[in-house]
Amino acid sequence: QSVVTQPPSASGTPGQRVTISCSGSSSNIGSNTVTWYQQLPGTAPKLLIYSNNQRPSGVPDRFSGSKSGTSASLAISGLQSEDEADYYCAAWDDSLNGPLGVFGTGTKVTVL
Amino acid sequence: QVQLVQSGVEVKKPGASVKVSCKTSGYTFTSYAISWVRQAPGQGLEWMGWISAYNGNTKYVQKLQGRVTMTTDTATRTAYMELRSLRSDDTAVYYCARDKSVVPSGPEFQHWGQGTPVIVSS
Repeated sequence: QSVVTQPPSASGTPGQRVTISCSGSSSNIGSNTVTWYQQLPGTAPKLLIYSNNQRPSGVPDRFSGSKSGTSASLAISGLQSEDEADYYCAAWDDSLNGPLGVFGTGTKVTVL
Repeated sequence: QVQLVQSGVEVKKPGASVKVSCKTSGYTFTSYAISWVRQAPGQGLEWMGWISAYNGNTKYVQKLQGRVTMTTDTATRTAYMELRSLRSDDTAVYYCARDKSVVPSGPEFQHWGQGTPVIVSS
């Protein structure tokens, strides 16, 4: 059972802005950086955002990340049909058993 | 370029073991850790643990402790994940992913294997 929650779905029309939330706790998002992944059907996840708001080379600037307290957000501006995918946030969790990775529950983005 | 190539589909009976390989190329193998992530059908991503390719140190998620072992072979630049006492809920696609350093500082993976489906069925 993931301790980091996301809305199960989000949608928008082409050109719109869509925001996905990621809610955690003081042991994960509250004290560590957040990473975002995009997963297209049948493929491995792709790194989209790291260190809360940094984009790897090649990721369009339509994608942006932010973090405040124990929550984070991913924004997709100028939504395009190829953005239809599952999106996951992730962070380190400083649990009693030592730092462990945790993924959010995932959000399916639909382009209407 | 960095590549991680995993072994093929596995079909196992409950109670059996599976060992998935992840052969790497394009970078200094011992300078990075490898993490393993799995995804059950129609479900989200689950981080399983990591292994340092430098010294073999490991960290596993508590729910898999005692059933999972991660190893590396520096001669062949290959990482392995073995899962024992398989159950039906272990049915998933298993991914290896390269961490950003020799000791992971977070689930931040730019390079992934293609995934290995493991099906557990009687």
